[in-house]
Amino acid sequence: GQQLNQSPQSMFIQEGEDVSMNCTSSSIFNTWLWYKQDPGEGPVLLIALYKAGELTSNGRLTAQFGITRKDSFLNISASIPSDVGIYFCAGQVYSGGSNYKLTFGKGTLLTVNP
Amino acid sequence: NAGVTQTPKFRVLKTGQSMTLLCAQDMNHEYMYWYRQDPGMGLRLIHYSVGEGTTAKGEVPDGYNVSRLKKQNFLLGLESAAPSQTSVYFCASRLRGYNEQFFGPGTRLTVL
Repeated sequence: GQQLNQSPQSMFIQEGEDVSMNCTSSSIFNTWLWYKQDPGEGPVLLIALYKAGELTSNGRLTAQFGITRKDSFLNISASIPSDVGIYFCAGQVYSGGSNYKLTFGKGTLLTVNP
Repeated sequence: NAGVTQTPKFRVLKTGQSMTLLCAQDMNHEYMYWYRQDPGMGLRLIHYSVGEGTTAKGEVPDGYNVSRLKKQNFLLGLESAAPSQTSVYFCASRLRGYNEQFFGPGTRLTVL
């Protein structure tokens, strides 16, 4: 099956620093999604990317859909303590009818030191 | 508008016991999903449903059953719990034609 390699597994940074994380796969995806999970909560969608090469921003977050459609990147600028959490990438492919298959990466645990 | 809710939030079972996890959504979404989350494993799809009365297997369906008798509810059952089913379970729902899955707050299950 399709697998996503998400890196790094964890990051410990100082408040104000920029953060970069990425997901790679041997498979092609039609859509890339980035979710954030706060401690004790369910994941919440941050950014969705629909076209190869697309660069999309949401406040201090910027994500890109790789030109090969096999990777995606998420950058967080000027990190703040509330950025703490687990960030998941997810790749989506069309699987027939009106169905889509979503594959999640294993997550990047971000810790921000005030 | 409560979104996606899950009950219970926590549960401890003994090996061999059975239980049902309830997921409810008030957004009139057609699609509903059950995932499990284990340390270092990300989210893995157990079962999903594309509409009332229909269910399908996901990536890790063994040991679980599901039912979708009403559009707003998706039940996950464990007939004979095993320690390997200790996990955090998340339900999600999605509106047809849209990509975003909305997740519930999770159920933390421990099987002793």
